[in-house]
Amino acid sequence: AQSVTQLDSQVPVFEEAPVELRCNYSSSVSVYLFWYVQYPNQGLQLLLKYLSGSTLVESINGFEAEFNKSQTSFHLRKPSVHISDTAEYFCAVSDPSYGKLTFGQGTILTVHP
Amino acid sequence: DAMVIQNPRYQVTQFGKPVTLSCSQTLNHNVMYWYQQKSSQAPKLLFHYYDKDFNNEADTPDNFQSRRPNTSFCFLDIRSPGLGDAAMYLCATGGRGGRTPGANVLTFGAGSRLTVL
Repeated sequence: AQSVTQLDSQVPVFEEAPVELRCNYSSSVSVYLFWYVQYPNQGLQLLLKYLSGSTLVESINGFEAEFNKSQTSFHLRKPSVHISDTAEYFCAVSDPSYGKLTFGQGTILTVHP
Repeated sequence: DAMVIQNPRYQVTQFGKPVTLSCSQTLNHNVMYWYQQKSSQAPKLLFHYYDKDFNNEADTPDNFQSRRPNTSFCFLDIRSPGLGDAAMYLCATGGRGGRTPGANVLTFGAGSRLTVL
Protein backbone atom coordinates (compact mmCIF):
# COMPACT_ATOMS: atom_id res chain seq x y z
CA ALA A 1 0.00 0.00 0.00
CA GLN A 2 1.09 3.53 -0.70
CA SER A 3 0.38 6.76 1.12
CA VAL A 4 1.31 10.39 0.74
CA THR A 5 1.44 13.06 3.42
CA GLN A 6 1.57 16.74 2.65
CA LEU A 7 2.61 18.39 5.85
CA ASP A 8 1.08 21.81 5.25
CA SER A 9 -2.55 22.34 4.30
CA GLN A 10 -2.05 26.04 3.58
CA VAL A 11 1.06 28.09 2.79
CA PRO A 12 0.73 31.88 2.50
CA VAL A 13 3.70 33.77 1.07
CA PHE A 14 4.47 37.17 -0.38
CA GLU A 15 5.27 37.64 -4.03
CA GLU A 16 8.93 37.06 -4.95
CA ALA A 17 9.56 35.12 -1.73
CA PRO A 18 10.85 31.53 -1.82
CA VAL A 19 8.49 28.68 -1.01
CA GLU A 20 8.74 25.00 -0.10
CA LEU A 21 5.78 22.62 -0.11
CA ARG A 22 6.55 19.45 1.77
CA CYS A 23 5.66 15.92 0.74
CA ASN A 24 6.50 12.58 2.32
CA TYR A 25 5.45 9.19 1.06
CA SER A 26 5.46 5.58 2.16
CA SER A 27 5.47 2.53 -0.04
CA SER A 28 6.58 -1.07 0.10
CA VAL A 29 7.74 -0.91 -3.52
CA SER A 30 9.58 1.57 -5.68
CA VAL A 31 7.33 4.36 -6.85
CA TYR A 32 7.19 7.19 -9.28
CA LEU A 33 6.56 10.64 -7.84
CA PHE A 34 4.55 13.53 -9.20
CA TRP A 35 3.43 17.02 -8.36
CA TYR A 36 0.14 18.18 -9.85
CA VAL A 37 -1.33 21.69 -9.66
CA GLN A 38 -5.03 22.56 -9.57
CA TYR A 39 -6.25 26.07 -10.32
CA PRO A 40 -9.76 27.06 -9.14
CA ASN A 41 -12.55 25.18 -10.92
CA GLN A 42 -10.10 23.29 -13.10
CA GLY A 43 -8.75 19.77 -13.30
CA LEU A 44 -5.29 18.73 -12.19
CA GLN A 45 -2.29 19.48 -14.38
CA LEU A 46 1.14 17.88 -14.16
CA LEU A 47 3.81 20.17 -12.75
CA LEU A 48 6.76 17.76 -12.67
CA LYS A 49 7.63 14.12 -12.17
CA TYR A 50 10.42 11.88 -10.96
CA LEU A 51 10.77 8.49 -12.62
CA SER A 52 14.50 7.73 -12.40
CA GLY A 53 17.91 9.30 -12.90
CA SER A 54 18.73 12.69 -11.46
CA THR A 55 16.99 13.22 -8.15
CA LEU A 56 16.40 16.90 -8.92
CA VAL A 57 13.62 17.57 -11.41
CA GLU A 58 12.46 20.91 -12.74
CA SER A 59 9.34 22.33 -14.32
CA ILE A 60 9.14 24.90 -17.09
CA ASN A 61 7.79 27.59 -14.76
CA GLY A 62 10.58 27.58 -12.19
CA PHE A 63 9.46 24.91 -9.72
CA GLU A 64 11.79 22.10 -8.75
CA ALA A 65 11.53 19.03 -6.56
CA GLU A 66 14.14 16.72 -5.14
CA PHE A 67 13.63 13.02 -4.55
CA ASN A 68 15.21 11.94 -1.28
CA LYS A 69 14.95 8.19 -0.92
CA SER A 70 16.40 7.99 2.58
CA GLN A 71 13.90 10.53 3.89
CA THR A 72 11.10 9.33 1.58
CA SER A 73 10.44 12.92 0.60
CA PHE A 74 9.71 14.83 -2.59
CA HIS A 75 9.49 18.47 -1.53
CA LEU A 76 8.52 21.14 -4.06
CA ARG A 77 10.41 24.44 -4.13
CA LYS A 78 10.43 27.70 -6.02
CA PRO A 79 12.99 30.44 -5.31
CA SER A 80 10.66 33.32 -6.20
CA VAL A 81 6.87 32.96 -6.48
CA HIS A 82 4.40 34.97 -8.54
CA ILE A 83 0.77 35.84 -7.92
CA SER A 84 -0.13 33.43 -10.70
CA ASP A 85 1.32 30.53 -8.68
CA THR A 86 -1.66 30.73 -6.34
CA ALA A 87 -3.29 27.30 -6.58
CA GLU A 88 -3.61 23.97 -4.81
CA TYR A 89 -0.68 21.59 -5.18
CA PHE A 90 -0.94 17.83 -4.89
CA CYS A 91 1.90 15.40 -4.39
CA ALA A 92 1.23 11.90 -5.73
CA VAL A 93 2.88 8.50 -6.00
CA SER A 94 2.28 5.93 -8.68
CA ASP A 95 2.50 2.18 -8.59
CA PRO A 96 4.85 1.33 -11.48
CA SER A 97 2.82 -1.72 -12.44
CA TYR A 98 -0.66 -0.29 -12.67
CA GLY A 99 -0.28 3.46 -12.92
CA LYS A 100 -2.76 4.27 -10.19
CA LEU A 101 -2.04 7.57 -8.53
CA THR A 102 -2.35 8.03 -4.78
CA PHE A 103 -2.62 11.69 -3.84
CA GLY A 104 -1.73 13.65 -0.78
CA GLN A 105 -4.28 15.95 0.84
CA GLY A 106 -3.09 18.99 -1.06
CA THR A 107 -1.43 22.27 -0.08
CA ILE A 108 -3.09 25.55 -0.90
CA LEU A 109 -0.44 28.07 -1.89
CA THR A 110 -1.58 31.68 -1.67
CA VAL A 111 0.75 34.35 -2.99
CA HIS A 112 0.09 37.84 -1.67
CA PRO A 113 1.23 41.05 -3.40
CA ASP B 1 -6.32 20.01 -29.11
CA ALA B 2 -6.45 16.54 -27.68
CA MET B 3 -8.14 16.66 -24.34
CA VAL B 4 -10.46 15.19 -21.76
CA ILE B 5 -13.94 16.69 -21.61
CA GLN B 6 -16.35 16.22 -18.72
CA ASN B 7 -20.06 16.98 -18.76
CA PRO B 8 -21.82 18.54 -17.08
CA ARG B 9 -19.43 20.84 -15.26
CA TYR B 10 -22.02 21.41 -12.56
CA GLN B 11 -24.79 19.01 -11.60
CA VAL B 12 -27.45 19.57 -8.96
CA THR B 13 -29.60 16.63 -7.96
CA GLN B 14 -32.00 15.67 -5.23
CA PHE B 15 -31.29 13.10 -2.58
CA GLY B 16 -31.78 9.65 -4.13
CA LYS B 17 -32.23 10.85 -7.72
CA PRO B 18 -29.85 9.02 -10.10
CA VAL B 19 -27.10 10.98 -11.79
CA THR B 20 -24.84 10.23 -14.75
CA LEU B 21 -21.61 12.08 -15.40
CA SER B 22 -19.80 11.70 -18.70
CA CYS B 23 -16.20 11.84 -19.82
CA SER B 24 -14.85 11.84 -23.35
CA GLN B 25 -11.27 11.85 -24.59
CA THR B 26 -9.53 12.45 -27.89
CA LEU B 27 -6.15 11.14 -26.72
CA ASN B 28 -6.88 7.53 -27.63
CA HIS B 29 -5.62 6.48 -24.20
CA ASN B 30 -6.56 2.99 -23.16
CA VAL B 31 -6.80 3.69 -19.44
CA MET B 32 -9.54 5.86 -17.94
CA TYR B 33 -9.94 6.73 -14.27
CA TRP B 34 -12.68 8.21 -12.09
CA TYR B 35 -11.64 10.11 -8.97
CA GLN B 36 -13.83 11.62 -6.26
CA GLN B 37 -12.53 14.81 -4.68
CA LYS B 38 -14.35 16.16 -1.64
CA SER B 39 -13.70 19.61 -0.32
CA SER B 40 -10.21 19.99 1.19
CA GLN B 41 -9.43 16.31 0.59
CA ALA B 42 -7.19 14.37 -1.76
CA PRO B 43 -8.69 12.95 -4.93
CA LYS B 44 -9.73 9.38 -4.23
CA LEU B 45 -9.71 6.73 -6.94
CA LEU B 46 -13.12 5.09 -7.42
CA PHE B 47 -12.33 2.77 -10.34
CA HIS B 48 -10.47 2.57 -13.61
CA TYR B 49 -10.68 0.84 -16.95
CA TYR B 50 -7.77 -0.88 -18.65
CA ASP B 51 -9.27 -0.99 -22.14
CA LYS B 52 -12.57 -2.73 -21.37
CA ASP B 53 -11.35 -4.34 -18.17
CA PHE B 54 -13.10 -2.75 -15.20
CA ASN B 55 -11.15 -2.40 -11.95
CA ASN B 56 -13.07 -1.37 -8.87
CA GLU B 57 -11.35 -0.06 -5.75
CA ALA B 58 -12.17 -2.18 -2.73
CA ASP B 59 -13.75 0.67 -0.79
CA THR B 60 -15.83 2.15 -3.61
CA PRO B 61 -19.51 1.97 -2.57
CA ASP B 62 -21.90 -0.11 -4.65
CA ASN B 63 -23.86 3.07 -5.25
CA PHE B 64 -21.21 4.02 -7.82
CA GLN B 65 -21.14 2.29 -11.18
CA SER B 66 -19.29 2.92 -14.41
CA ARG B 67 -19.64 2.17 -18.10
CA ARG B 68 -17.18 2.41 -20.93
CA PRO B 69 -18.97 1.75 -24.23
CA ASN B 70 -15.89 2.55 -26.33
CA THR B 71 -12.35 3.91 -26.05
CA SER B 72 -13.46 7.52 -26.14
CA PHE B 73 -16.26 7.58 -23.59
CA CYS B 74 -16.67 6.67 -19.96
CA PHE B 75 -19.65 7.27 -17.67
CA LEU B 76 -20.04 7.47 -13.91
CA ASP B 77 -23.47 6.51 -12.61
CA ILE B 78 -24.51 7.32 -9.06
CA ARG B 79 -27.62 5.27 -8.46
CA SER B 80 -28.95 6.94 -5.32
CA PRO B 81 -26.92 10.01 -4.39
CA GLY B 82 -26.66 10.87 -0.74
CA LEU B 83 -25.53 14.10 0.86
CA GLY B 84 -22.11 12.54 1.39
CA ASP B 85 -21.66 12.07 -2.35
CA ALA B 86 -21.45 15.80 -2.98
CA ALA B 87 -18.01 16.28 -4.47
CA MET B 88 -15.97 17.09 -7.54
CA TYR B 89 -15.69 14.07 -9.82
CA LEU B 90 -12.55 13.97 -11.92
CA CYS B 91 -12.02 11.87 -15.01
CA ALA B 92 -8.47 11.14 -16.13
CA THR B 93 -6.82 9.20 -18.91
CA GLY B 94 -3.45 7.54 -19.28
CA GLY B 95 -1.63 5.37 -21.79
CA ARG B 96 -0.63 1.82 -21.00
CA GLY B 97 3.05 2.79 -21.11
CA GLY B 98 4.45 -0.60 -21.92
CA ARG B 99 5.99 -2.30 -18.90
CA THR B 100 5.84 0.78 -16.74
CA PRO B 101 2.32 2.22 -16.89
CA GLY B 102 3.00 3.98 -13.65
CA ALA B 103 5.33 6.33 -15.47
CA ASN B 104 2.49 7.73 -17.52
CA VAL B 105 1.27 11.22 -16.88
CA LEU B 106 -2.46 11.36 -16.36
CA THR B 107 -4.50 13.93 -18.25
CA PHE B 108 -7.42 15.22 -16.22
CA GLY B 109 -10.67 16.76 -17.26
CA ALA B 110 -11.93 19.94 -15.60
CA GLY B 111 -14.24 17.95 -13.35
CA SER B 112 -17.95 17.71 -12.65
CA ARG B 113 -19.10 19.28 -9.42
CA LEU B 114 -22.06 17.44 -7.91
CA THR B 115 -24.40 19.08 -5.42
CA VAL B 116 -26.98 16.95 -3.61
CA LEU B 117 -29.99 18.71 -2.11
